[in-house]
Amino acid sequence: RKEVEQDPGPFNVPEGATVAFNCTYSNSASQSFFWYRQDCRKEPKLLMSVYSSGNEDGRFTAQLNRASQYISLLIRDSKLSDSATYLCVSGTYKYIFGTGTRLKVLA
Amino acid sequence: NAGVMQNPRHLVRRRGQEARLRCSPMKGHSHVYWYRQLPEEGLKFMVYLQKENIIDESGMPKERFSAEFPKEGPSILRIQQVVRGDSAAYFCASSPDTNSGNTIYFGEGSWLTVV
Repeated sequence: RKEVEQDPGPFNVPEGATVAFNCTYSNSASQSFFWYRQDCRKEPKLLMSVYSSGNEDGRFTAQLNRASQYISLLIRDSKLSDSATYLCVSGTYKYIFGTGTRLKVLA
Repeated sequence: NAGVMQNPRHLVRRRGQEARLRCSPMKGHSHVYWYRQLPEEGLKFMVYLQKENIIDESGMPKERFSAEFPKEGPSILRIQQVVRGDSAAYFCASSPDTNSGNTIYFGEGSWLTVV
């Protein structure tokens, strides 16, 4: 079983749609959780940290459920520029990345 | 903006040669991570280093791969006797310290092609 599991997608959604990504992690000792975004042939870039209390940054909302070892990302009002691969990350000092969920926002 | 600097950005090696990839962390960061991304695959953790110390190398292949982060100078990922399967993007990341919640920031990657 992979330490961090994500649905690879692709998710093809129209502009303006709301889309949700889910992720599960297996290491209950993990203390830090993030979502990164990666464009084709580019480095991963931090999208947001994830906390149990939930956090929001503009159109993006992230949530952590420690009991279920589950992390989510919600994107509202999707833009064409949101098209990318979204990487779920968990760990403590050693950060494990999921294989990513591909999102394509269609005009 | 002194982000994480990696070089070379692109490297071509023949089978059997050595590849050396360099990474300078962000200013003020003392922790370095190396990840490998094979084509169409996810990022795989390789090694985590502090200055002069390897903290976790559980993701490093047992042979041909080594990493260091000397007191002075960049971190080096060294691949000896490269094979075609080593062709990948190698990303370096850095963080300020080990406190939980510290974000890691990536360099633009070094793209190794073995011919």
